[in-house]
Amino acid sequence: DAKTTQPTSMDCAEGRAANLPCNHSTISGNEYVYWYRQIHSQGPQYIIHGLKNNETNEMASLIITEDRKSSTLILPHATLRDTAVYYCIVRTSGSRLTFGEGTQLTVNP
Amino acid sequence: EPEVTQTPSHQVTQMGQEVILRCVPISNHLYFYWYRQILGQKVEFLVSFYNNEISEKSEIFDDQFSVERPDGSNFTLKIRSTKLEDSAMYFCASSPDRGSQETQYFGPGTRLLVL
Repeated sequence: DAKTTQPTSMDCAEGRAANLPCNHSTISGNEYVYWYRQIHSQGPQYIIHGLKNNETNEMASLIITEDRKSSTLILPHATLRDTAVYYCIVRTSGSRLTFGEGTQLTVNP
Repeated sequence: EPEVTQTPSHQVTQMGQEVILRCVPISNHLYFYWYRQILGQKVEFLVSFYNNEISEKSEIFDDQFSVERPDGSNFTLKIRSTKLEDSAMYFCASSPDRGSQETQYFGPGTRLLVL
């Protein structure tokens, strides 16, 4: 699976949009981009995934660049409960998810 | 909304003892997984399971570990003789199928402490 690079930490004001970047320059054509988050030591929570097109669901939006070498997860109106570690995972294999260090997002009041 | 459940939430055991961690995957899901997270470290894949067989396992999943689906609902991880370094959060996950577009949904985890 392709390696991803994320910032170690980010801050966001409550109510503002949180934009979390991810670089995956070695991604190949059949690899999906997944985003999960982990609050404290809870189980990773699925957020969203995409292949080429931008995606939106009730939690977030995923913007994937045209060359697919990077993506951005957008939480449109961050709340304190969105404080978590966010993982960007590029996945081709049908089995395992390979977690990196992720980005610690802190939403401030 | 269906979710993966795990029991117990916490388990304390003595080194050398056997432990069984239990998971109830989302019904109608076909693939099941175990991951672990040692305190302060990354989430690591252990094993995937499909059609009553191990589909893939990592180098962590040695002979001390085994998985089983003893009935139509439970999925278990057994550690035969626990070591101190087995202390970790263990997460079960399930997905509808195996394709790379199939989302894995995680349970809340079991915190295992080996003394």
